[in-house]
Amino acid sequence: EVQLVESGGGLVQPGGSLRLSCAASGFTVSSNYMSWVRQAPGKGLEWVSVIYSGGSTYYADSVKGRFTISRDNSKNTLYLQMNSLRAEDTAVYYCARSVDSSGLIDYWGQGTLVTVSS
Amino acid sequence: EIVLTQSPGTLSLSPGERATLSCRASQSVSSSYLAWYQQKPGQAPRLLIYGASSRATGIPDRFSGSGSGTDFTLTISRLEPEDFAVYYCQQYGSSPRLTFGGGTKVEIK
Repeated sequence: EVQLVESGGGLVQPGGSLRLSCAASGFTVSSNYMSWVRQAPGKGLEWVSVIYSGGSTYYADSVKGRFTISRDNSKNTLYLQMNSLRAEDTAVYYCARSVDSSGLIDYWGQGTLVTVSS
Repeated sequence: EIVLTQSPGTLSLSPGERATLSCRASQSVSSSYLAWYQQKPGQAPRLLIYGASSRATGIPDRFSGSGSGTDFTLTISRLEPEDFAVYYCQQYGSSPRLTFGGGTKVEIK
């Protein structure tokens, strides 16, 4: 059974850093396209970043240069390093798996809340 | 970047009624790489439809998707109490950067 479990969210001050983790089971993270998608309180879904099975990474313009997606194959875990955080980064962050190279997302984690506030 | 516009923003209907949700793309969506997701409060999104018209595993047949090019529709033939939720369309396949529509909330009238 495919499972994605995020952790690492919390309250952080503007300008601070946070690292989110997504522990996967039931499949191999390095064999799939893996994304982070966020949802600000009461708002819609916003794609944040993706890492391809080959290792290529892509980012939304709103986080480019501040966020870094990575994975640890030995731990079957996806990460999102978030630096220079802003109030507008406050959101629930979901880890998501793509079923194939089309990028279609078939599984989502339960999400972890990041709050950026002083 | 493809922009997806969903309408209406809110749909107020009664159980048993038919729901028709629209998703319009700013440019043609290649190979009908258009998906629909359902999201209930406090939960992650759930995949309903992919490839514009294929139902995901375990999705009841009262959910159907149609359309191509720039105009897509999600239809719920007869609303069940558990169908009241927010629905998002999403394009994939043409770019690493996935895009979502703003969502349509289906609420109980």
